[in-house]
Formats: sequence, C-alpha cells, structure tokens
Amino acid sequence: SQTIHQWPATLVQPVGSPLSLECTVEGTSNPNLYWYRQAAGRGLQLLFYSVGIGQISSEVPQNLSASRPQDRQFILSSKKLLLSDSGFYLCAWSVAGSSNQPQHFGDGTRLSIL
Amino acid sequence: GENVEQHPSTLSVQEGDSAVIKCTYSDSASNYFPWYKQELGKRPQLIIDIRSNVGEKKDQRIAVTLNKTAKHFSLHITETQPEDSAVYFCASTSGTYKYIFGTGTRLKVLA
Repeated sequence: SQTIHQWPATLVQPVGSPLSLECTVEGTSNPNLYWYRQAAGRGLQLLFYSVGIGQISSEVPQNLSASRPQDRQFILSSKKLLLSDSGFYLCAWSVAGSSNQPQHFGDGTRLSIL
Repeated sequence: GENVEQHPSTLSVQEGDSAVIKCTYSDSASNYFPWYKQELGKRPQLIIDIRSNVGEKKDQRIAVTLNKTAKHFSLHITETQPEDSAVYFCASTSGTYKYIFGTGTRLKVLA
C-alpha cells in the first residue's frame, strides 16, 4: 500500500532563516505531488504541484520554492522566512495520469515563525 | 478561473440529527468530487467521493449527491455523533492536476 511521510512534524524558526521541508511517498511510481499551506482556521492554499521529476508548477508567487529531485521526493524550501510563512504545511500525492482519484495527505508540518 | 463555493461555513447540530453541506463548482468539465474531514491539528482525510457518472453514493451514515446540471454536490451525514465534529472540505477536479477545494465547513455536533 502507499504511504506518505512528511517531516518535521513541528518547526520553530526565526524570521530570515532558511527552510527545508521534505515529503516522500512509498508504494507508487511517478505520483503527482503537491504542497499546500493552511493558515489557522482557514482553507487549503495550493503552493506547488509536480507531475514528474524536475517539473514544478507554482500557484502563488512568494518567497517559497519547491524541488523534486527524485520520483517520490518533494521538497519545500525558502532562503529567508517571513512572519507570514507561519502555518500548517501539507504534502499530498495522487495517482499520475488520472483525474478521478483522490489526493492523499501527509501528517503535515506546523511551522511557527518568531 | 475554477472555483468551488461551500456552505455553510459553520454548522451546529444536535447529536442524532442530520447535517448537510453543499458545494457549487464552476468548471463544467469537473468529473470527480471528493470530500475530506479534517480534525483539529490533523491532516485532511478522504471520507467519500463521487464521480460524474453517478448521482449518489452512500457509505453507512455518509452520502454524497451530485447534480451535474446545476453543478452542485452535497454531503449528508445522518445520525450525527460527537466524533463527527470536524472541518469538512469539498473539492473538484476536471482532468488537470489541480484539485479545487472549498473553503471548509466547521461542523459541531452538540451532545
């Protein structure tokens, strides 16, 4: 069966520091991969998605970037964090090449910026 | 662009009563409609989904209905229990890689 791992679970970072969040999927090949951010009490904001290695689509211009160095690895990064980057970051995957399959979410990373 | 409107934003029901959450989508090409439940501090989890070739799907106390003509779909929870309290998100997708999510409904089941 497929599993998705996301780490760390919680992170406290000072303003201006760098960021690296990692997500890996097991049990499937060439998944579609996604990064979402969720502010407290709010909905899901799509940040990036990827349909293959090295292919990244950005939905919201900001100081974040994403990379997919391996088929089942998705990384969210920032060179300098802002206070507004605080939130709950969720990685998700879906079956490649299919539009009628669900997304499956990781457990998320709660990021606090001080 | 594509949009999914979700109502109500909050919903309080007495334990044992039914709850209904409604979503309306804008992209007529949408063909898949999942519903997610998110408990406080946890990840969204798929609870039920429906594809465009059916009008209704049921799984125990949970059902989803789809009206493609009107471009809306609804989640129905019967015999609500305290553990049903959570935020529920609807979503739609149309063959692109993007899933368009509603803004969420906070359901409170009062004991």
